[in-house]
Amino acid sequence: DAKTTQPPSMDCAEGRAANLPCNHSTISGNEYVYWYRQIHSQGPQYIIHGLKNNETNEMASLIITEDRKSSTLILPHATLRDTAVYYCIVRVGRNSGNTPLVFGKGTRLSVIA
Amino acid sequence: DAGVIQSPRHEVTEMGQEVTLRCKPISGHNSLFWYRQTMMRGLELLIYFNNNVPIDDSGMPEDRFSAKMPNASFSTLKIQPSEPRDSAVYFCASSLWSGGDRNEQFFGPGTRLTVL
Repeated sequence: DAKTTQPPSMDCAEGRAANLPCNHSTISGNEYVYWYRQIHSQGPQYIIHGLKNNETNEMASLIITEDRKSSTLILPHATLRDTAVYYCIVRVGRNSGNTPLVFGKGTRLSVIA
Repeated sequence: DAGVIQSPRHEVTEMGQEVTLRCKPISGHNSLFWYRQTMMRGLELLIYFNNNVPIDDSGMPEDRFSAKMPNASFSTLKIQPSEPRDSAVYFCASSLWSGGDRNEQFFGPGTRLTVL
């Protein structure tokens, strides 16, 4: 079972920041927060992951609360191509080997022109 | 890099027929995953392999489903006999774990299976 809770849908105006929340109140100390997204009719795509520090890459930023019970994925300047379902996934990271992803229902983000 | 390759992209078959889905992982990756996506159940793991060895097949619905990975560059998922409830998009993903924490999985484009 997915260990995360996300809102089913969100809208965002093109060019504005999209902030996607995720609750993971039962996260363990050795578990990381991963974000993937699935654009319509494509396979899921990795976005970013983190343990406890905020992370940023070319796609997005990940803000994790100090108690690690929730996080927010930020797309700084959303474009129409960011319209997708975004999945927040909690899983063991380092030293876990290659383990499967457990997907919840995700958040369907619609970027509106 | 061609990414994960799946074939066929679309398959329409009749109930009772055998269906074989194919996957070529990214060269050098040491893990391969088969997922299935339906509207009702979302994305769910069917089976995964590490170094060509099946690790967890608890997600395989029943004995009608079987998967093999004869070598590091090829895997098949077979359904025999197929049933209408098997209609779904089947994704193959591969990853390379080298001891870090990233564990990124790369997904193929999927095979859309329709069983009539």
